[in-house]
Amino acid sequence: AQSVAQPEDQVNVAEGNPLTVKCTYSVSGNPYLFWYVQYPNRGLQFLLKYITGDNLVKGSYGFEAEFNKSQTSFHLKKPSALVSDSALYFCAVRDNTNAGKSTFGDGTTLTVKP
Amino acid sequence: KAGVTQTPRYLIKTRGQQVTLSCSPISGHRSVSWYQQTPGQGLQFLFEYFSETQRNKGNFPGRFSGRQFSNSRSEMNVSTLELGDSALYLCASSLSQNQGRYEQYFGPGTRLTVT
Repeated sequence: AQSVAQPEDQVNVAEGNPLTVKCTYSVSGNPYLFWYVQYPNRGLQFLLKYITGDNLVKGSYGFEAEFNKSQTSFHLKKPSALVSDSALYFCAVRDNTNAGKSTFGDGTTLTVKP
Repeated sequence: KAGVTQTPRYLIKTRGQQVTLSCSPISGHRSVSWYQQTPGQGLQFLFEYFSETQRNKGNFPGRFSGRQFSNSRSEMNVSTLELGDSALYLCASSLSQNQGRYEQYFGPGTRLTVT
């Protein structure tokens, strides 16, 4: 069975500071990893994904994530946070033996204060 | 390209009734997945359809069912509604080949309230 853990319910950072939202995963095969963002009263929006190749992937709005196979982690990062980054962030995993089913973490609420 | 659309956006039903939610995927997307989002349980996978076939199903009772039509549009049905079914129901679509590689595009959701 595949699973995702987002150990922090809430992350608070000051505008302009770097941010990290943590994610660890467990799958039986090679993982496909995704980050999504949800703004209030809206559906989820895709940010970035890791499929294969370079461990550092870049996505929308200046976000990036680092895949670490040994630590089974896929942390979301941004060098300089904006107030508009405040939202709910979900990490998700799919494995290549159970295509079609995504397992999502519980979500992390990011608050960026001016 | 138009995004994923879901109808209706808001719905209020009474316990014991049934409800049907509709989802139209992005043009060209043949996979449609459904999720239930609640504050306490997060995002829970309901089922996934591809080419009118259910390929995966989450751990929900048989009261939850769905189908997909030849144009890739999908519906989900919940019968004998319970208070605990109150949630935001999200539909997501993705491209068809090698499913796991492709990100999902989500609709705005249908907010179901059961009274």
